[in-house]
Amino acid sequence: TQTVSQSDAHVTVFEGDSVELRCNYSYGGSIYLSWYIQHHGHGLQFLLKYYSGNPVVQGVNGFEAEFSKSDSSFHLRKASVHWSDSAVYFCAVSMNTGYQNFYFGKGTSLTVIP
Amino acid sequence: NSKVIQTPRYLVKGQGQKAKMRCIPEKGHPVVFWYQQNKNNEFKFLINFQNQEVLQQIDMTEKRFSAECPSNSPCSLEIQSSEAGDSALYLCASSGTSLAEQFFGPGTRLTVL
Repeated sequence: TQTVSQSDAHVTVFEGDSVELRCNYSYGGSIYLSWYIQHHGHGLQFLLKYYSGNPVVQGVNGFEAEFSKSDSSFHLRKASVHWSDSAVYFCAVSMNTGYQNFYFGKGTSLTVIP
Repeated sequence: NSKVIQTPRYLVKGQGQKAKMRCIPEKGHPVVFWYQQNKNNEFKFLINFQNQEVLQQIDMTEKRFSAECPSNSPCSLEIQSSEAGDSALYLCASSGTSLAEQFFGPGTRLTVL
């Protein structure tokens, strides 16, 4: 069974600050890793994904994430946040075999103070 | 931006009532997923389809839950006899050729009184 852990339930920063949202997973096989954002009352929007290659992947709106096999991590970062980045961020893992469902972390609620 | 359409956005039912929600996947996406997101932000995978065929489903969906994705019609998820614990946001997602990318709809928020 795969598990996805997002250690910070809430993160609060000021506009213009950098931020890192942490994600650790446990799974021994070949996997896909993704990050999604959910604004209040809305569905999930795709930010970025990783499967192989360069461990740093770029996503939408200035987000990037770095995969580390040794740490079993896939942390999300942004150099300078905007108030509109306030939302809940979910890390997701899926197996690399066919159309597999996602396993999600419990999310990190990011609040950006203007 | 996702083009997955889910209706209705909000659904209120009494215990024991049927609850039905629909999903239109993005055009050209052969795979549809249903997830349940509870108030604690915990996601539970329910079922997925490739075209009209079920790929995977969890035990819960074999009892009170039923789902289908008929050809040329919206996909649907129906709870035969709603329970209070079914109150949640039900998310539909579709996937094309990129296995790691699922596009989500806005969800149907079900409240069972």
